[in-house]
Amino acid sequence: EPEVTQTPSHQVTQMGQEVILRCVPISNHLYFYWYRQILGQKVEFLVSFYNNEISEKSEIFDDQFSVERPDGSNFTLKIRSTKLEDSAMYFCASSRVGNYGYTFGSGTRLTVV
Amino acid sequence: KQEVTQIPAALSVPEGENLVLNCSFTDSAIYNLQWFRQDPGKGLTSLLLIQSSQREQTSGRLNASLDKSSGRSTLYIAASQPGDSATYLCAGFYNYGQNFVFGPGTRLSVLP
Repeated sequence: EPEVTQTPSHQVTQMGQEVILRCVPISNHLYFYWYRQILGQKVEFLVSFYNNEISEKSEIFDDQFSVERPDGSNFTLKIRSTKLEDSAMYFCASSRVGNYGYTFGSGTRLTVV
Repeated sequence: KQEVTQIPAALSVPEGENLVLNCSFTDSAIYNLQWFRQDPGKGLTSLLLIQSSQREQTSGRLNASLDKSSGRSTLYIAASQPGDSATYLCAGFYNYGQNFVFGPGTRLSVLP
């Protein structure tokens, strides 16, 4: 069964550093998403991306965050200057149709020290 | 603002019991509802997806129902096994937001 692949599985970074989290969505999917889950809390929506632009974003997704689809296969989330409170599990997801058939990746655990 | 809640927060049952997990959502304009399983420190595994036009879905020992009018969904697990121990999340998808709104989860422990 096709999978959404996320790398790395765990990343440790120093506060103030830039990080890029990478995702390879399912190849024929057109909609791409990032969610995050702070330890012990709910999974929260960050951003959705379609047709090479952001279609929706939450209030969490401020100017420190950006997304990009640099080539035909990768979808990245960049955090410009990490803060301690950015420590969380970040999930990428993709779907062929915007409101159906989501597949989530296994997540990247980001630890900011 | 859409809100999804789940009760109980945690549940411990002996192996072999049938059990029901509950999910409530405040906005009935839900497009579909999905149940996920999450093992500690791991990703989200999709279990069942119910479209708004459907009332239930079944997969093996799992059955999920959706009642939009009352704002509720239930996940029924038959003949529970220790391997079912995990956190179960429900999430509502709203067309106008184009994203899932997740509940906090129910942490299930099935004791051998």
